[in-house]
Amino acid sequence: EVQLVESGGAVVQPGGSLRLSCAGSGFSFDDYTMHWVRQVPGKGLEWVSLITWDGSVTYYANSVKGRFTISRDNGKNSLYLQMSSLRTEDTALYYCAKDRLFGWDSFDSWGQGTLVTVSS
Amino acid sequence: QSVLTHPPSASGTPGQRVTISCSGSSSNIGSNDVYWYQQLPGTAPKLLIYRNNQRPSGVPDRFSGSKSGTSASLAISGLRSEDEADYYCAAWDDSLTGYVFGTGTKVTVL
Repeated sequence: EVQLVESGGAVVQPGGSLRLSCAGSGFSFDDYTMHWVRQVPGKGLEWVSLITWDGSVTYYANSVKGRFTISRDNGKNSLYLQMSSLRTEDTALYYCAKDRLFGWDSFDSWGQGTLVTVSS
Repeated sequence: QSVLTHPPSASGTPGQRVTISCSGSSSNIGSNDVYWYQQLPGTAPKLLIYRNNQRPSGVPDRFSGSKSGTSASLAISGLRSEDEADYYCAAWDDSLTGYVFGTGTKVTVL
């Protein structure tokens, strides 16, 4: 069974930094593209970033480009999101999601999310 | 902000058929596959439809997807109380070089 467990969410001040982690198990982690998707509580979904199986290709939403960095450690079956210059509008539940394919397609497994609150 | 638009709500009685639309543009739905996600209250989203009309294993055939031009639709036939959820379409956007989600439709079973 595929499991994705996010961690690292916290309350942080505007302008601060935070690193989110996602531990994957139950599948060959290094065979799949991985994503971060966020959701403001009570609001819709927003895709944040993707990273291919080997980390060679990354894409970001315009809203986080230049401030967030996605990375992965296949040896540890882990996905990361380094967040800097945080803004109040970055407050959200951050989900880690596994792609259905080796490339990028759809998000077929999701974690339960980790909450990031940006507030002074 | 969301690039794909849904009606904010849809409803039906048990057994009825409900259709949810998703409107996009040539840079997303018009040139890429559409995906649908179901989010039950208090839970993470779940993949419902991939590549416009394909169902992952375990998804009932009551759920079906279609795409035409720059719009897509999700149909739920034989509506059941457990279908009460938020539904989102998504697609890759070539102009934004990223995924875009729909605004979401809340389905209520009356």
